[in-house]
Amino acid sequence: DTAVSQTPKYLVTQMGNDKSIKCEQNLGHDTMYWYKQDSKKFLKIMFSYNNKELIINETVPNRFSPKSPDKAHLNLHINSLELGDSAVYFCASSLSGRREKLFFGSGTQLSVL
Amino acid sequence: AQSVTQPDIHITVSEGASLELRCNYSYGATPYLFWYVQSPGQGLQLLLKYFSGDTLVQGIKGFEAEFKRSQSSFNLRKPSVHWSDAAEYFCAVGPRNSGNTPLVFGKGTRLSVIA
Repeated sequence: DTAVSQTPKYLVTQMGNDKSIKCEQNLGHDTMYWYKQDSKKFLKIMFSYNNKELIINETVPNRFSPKSPDKAHLNLHINSLELGDSAVYFCASSLSGRREKLFFGSGTQLSVL
Repeated sequence: AQSVTQPDIHITVSEGASLELRCNYSYGATPYLFWYVQSPGQGLQLLLKYFSGDTLVQGIKGFEAEFKRSQSSFNLRKPSVHWSDAAEYFCAVGPRNSGNTPLVFGKGTRLSVIA
């Protein structure tokens, strides 16, 4: 069973569209994250949720809206997609924010044309 | 501000040769230190971590890393590289305090292994 699963794995869309990426973890973790990995492989935190509450928002444009319906899910909705949004987006989870127990999903490669 | 520097963007080694990937950090205090590996099309997998104690830590897949406080470094090593080690390697740091401060990652070092 996959611990942290993201869908879709690949997403190709045009500028201006709205898209969502889903993330689910079956580890019983209470903290979930979204990371963005740009074309230069730089991995940067976007959001962190703990028990469905937003605790970190790292200066991400408000076109990005995370939604956590429950502790096991953290979805990422992106409005009005731009070329610069093209990247690989990783979901991750941990228990009580413990960094040594950070589990990553396999990523969603978003390409905006 | 916290930062992690991985000076080598891309390294190529021969199979069976030794490997050292460099990582330097800038932090207010001694942080927790991590090395992750990302295989193509995969998420990040934790290789090893340093919290305290012995400054030489052992990880999975035969990797080890040494914390050197005086140099603010946490270099990753492997005595004999296998072709399956070809991947992207990320060094990361995080604060020692409890809470939800996320890890800060370096920009990664891509490892290529040749026969």
